[in-house]
Amino acid sequence: GENVEQHPSTLSVQEGDSAVIKCTYSDSASNYFPWYKQELGKRPQLIIDIRSNVGEKKDQRIAVTLNKTAKHFSLHITETQPEDSAVYFCAASKGSNYQLIWGAGTKLIIKP
Amino acid sequence: GAVVSQHPSRVICKSGTSVKIECRSLDFQATTMFWYRQFPKQSLMLMATSNEGSKATYEQGVEKDKFLINHASLTLSTLTVTSAHPEDSSFYICSALGVPEQYFGPGTRLTVT
Repeated sequence: GENVEQHPSTLSVQEGDSAVIKCTYSDSASNYFPWYKQELGKRPQLIIDIRSNVGEKKDQRIAVTLNKTAKHFSLHITETQPEDSAVYFCAASKGSNYQLIWGAGTKLIIKP
Repeated sequence: GAVVSQHPSRVICKSGTSVKIECRSLDFQATTMFWYRQFPKQSLMLMATSNEGSKATYEQGVEKDKFLINHASLTLSTLTVTSAHPEDSSFYICSALGVPEQYFGPGTRLTVT
C-alpha cells in the first residue's frame, strides 16, 4: 500500500528565514497531495494542496512543489513568522475513495 | 472552507461505559466522512471511512464492534466507543470529504478513567 515519509521531524528556523519540509510517497498512482497545519489541540487545517498534473503551486508565503518522477513533494514557507509555529503534515491520496495517507508530521519552531 | 462541527469537544467517562461522538457537516452534504484518532505527538490514524446509507469500512486492526459508526444522513456521522477502556483515551477527529479536500471537525478529547 501507499506509504508517505516526511522529513524532518522537527525544524527550527529563525524568524524571517525560509522553512522547507519534504515528503516522499510510494504509490505512483497518487494524484492529490495536501499539506495541513495543526496547532496543539486543534483540528488540522489545509494550507495548500497540489494535484499531480501541476508541478508547483504558490499562495503568498507558501508554496508546494511536486516531482512525480522522483515521487516527492515539498512545502516551502518563506519569511517565516511566529504564528507559523505548528505541526505540519503532508498527505497523499488517489482514486475514488480519497483516503489520505499521512506523513508523520514536522514540528516547525520559529525562533524570534 | 466548509464547516464541520464535532460534539462533544471533551468527554470523561468511566471504564465500561459507551460514548457517542457526533460529526456534522454544517454547510454541505457529505456522502463520505472519515474518522481518525490521534495520540499525542503522532500523526492521524484513519480508523474508518463512513459512507451515507451504507456500512462503514474499517481499517485493519480497528474493531468494528467496539467502534460503531453510523452515517444516517448526508450531514451527520456518529462514532460510538463501546465499553470504553483507558487505552481508548485519545483525540478523535472526523472529517467530511469535499472532493478532494477533507474538512476536519475540531476533535473530541476522550478520557476514560
